[in-house]
Amino acid sequence: RKEVEQDPGPFNVPEGATVAFNCTYSNSASQSFFWYRQDCRKEPKLLMSVYSSGNEDGRFTAQLNRASQYISLLIRDSKLSDSATYLCAVNGGADSWGKLQFGAGTQVVVTP
Amino acid sequence: DAGVIQSPRHEVTEMGQEVTLRCKPISGHNSLFWYRQTMMRGLELLIYFNNNVPIDDSGMPEDRFSAKMPNASFSTLKIQPSEPRDSAVYFCASSRRDRAYNEQFFGPGTRLTVL
Repeated sequence: RKEVEQDPGPFNVPEGATVAFNCTYSNSASQSFFWYRQDCRKEPKLLMSVYSSGNEDGRFTAQLNRASQYISLLIRDSKLSDSATYLCAVNGGADSWGKLQFGAGTQVVVTP
Repeated sequence: DAGVIQSPRHEVTEMGQEVTLRCKPISGHNSLFWYRQTMMRGLELLIYFNNNVPIDDSGMPEDRFSAKMPNASFSTLKIQPSEPRDSAVYFCASSRRDRAYNEQFFGPGTRLTVL
């Protein structure tokens, strides 16, 4: 089993709609969680960190469910520019604090 | 503010040649990470440094790969000799280890093609 798993998609989303997807992780000791956005042939860019209480940044909402070991990302009022691959990243716990495991990514395609 | 800087952006070389990739982390960051990304394997951590010291190189594929960080503002990843299966995008990322959250910021990557 992979340490971090994501639905590869693609999620085809009409412009203006809401889309949500999850990322599951296997290490219960993980302490920090992130969502990155990666455009084609570009580097991953940090979208948001995921805090225990959940957090929101404009149209983006991230949630953490420790009991079921997954994080989620919800995008409201989708824009064409939201089309990208979304990578989740999870650290390995206190013993490997600096080390992030990345999921393979979820592709989102926003259509007019 | 300057982000992570990588050079070269593209590298095409022939099998057996030595390849050196370079990275300058964000000023003030004290952790540096080298990743490799391919379609088949996704984004893989190769090695990371804290305060210029290699901490975990378990992701380095084999002895042909080596990485150094001689000072806080420079790191290299070397492949010698290179092979076609090394073709990938290599990213460098940096972070501040004293932050509660280890947000990593990526450079633009080096797209390596080994013929």
